[in-house]
Amino acid sequence: EPEVTQTPSHQVTQMGQEVILRCVPISNHLYFYWYRQILGQKVEFLVSFYNNEISEKSEIFDDQFSVERPDGSNFTLKIRSTKLEDSAMYFCASRSSTSDQPQHFGDGTRLSIL
Amino acid sequence: QQQVKQSPQSLIVQKGGISIINCAYENTAFDYFPWYQQFPGKGPALLIAIRPDVSEKKEGRFTISFNKSAKQFSLHIMDSQPGDSATYFCAASITQGGSEKLVFGKGTKLTVNP
Repeated sequence: EPEVTQTPSHQVTQMGQEVILRCVPISNHLYFYWYRQILGQKVEFLVSFYNNEISEKSEIFDDQFSVERPDGSNFTLKIRSTKLEDSAMYFCASRSSTSDQPQHFGDGTRLSIL
Repeated sequence: QQQVKQSPQSLIVQKGGISIINCAYENTAFDYFPWYQQFPGKGPALLIAIRPDVSEKKEGRFTISFNKSAKQFSLHIMDSQPGDSATYFCAASITQGGSEKLVFGKGTKLTVNP
């Protein structure tokens, strides 16, 4: 079964550094998402992306964050000047354009800011 | 108004018993209600989903009951097995510009004792 893959599985970064989280969505999917889950808390929506542009973003997704689909297969989340509170699991998800199809999640990247 | 409230936080059930997890929402614009199962170190995986025009949906041992007037929905796991031990998230989807972002509950950690 096709799956969403995320790399790296764990990223450790110094506060203030930039980090790029990478995702390869399922190949025929057209909608892409990033969510985050702070330890012990619920999964929170960050941003959705369709047709090479952001379709919706949460208040968490401020100017520090950006997303990009640099080629036909990758979908990236960039966090500039990371803060301690950015430490979380970051999940990528994708969905096909067919109605009633669910979002499929990757296994996440654990981001630890020191 | 965008929140989904989930209870209980944790649940311990004996093998063969029924596990029941409840969720409530406020926003009547929500039009898709999935349940996700998450094992440690993995991303959320879709378990079962329902739309508000249906009051119940059953797939194997898993049943969603939906009460539109009360704005509540619940997951029932019949004949619970130790392999069902995981964290379960209810979610609700609202379509704005086609993004279908998911709003998650806080999760229920289910433990099924052998």
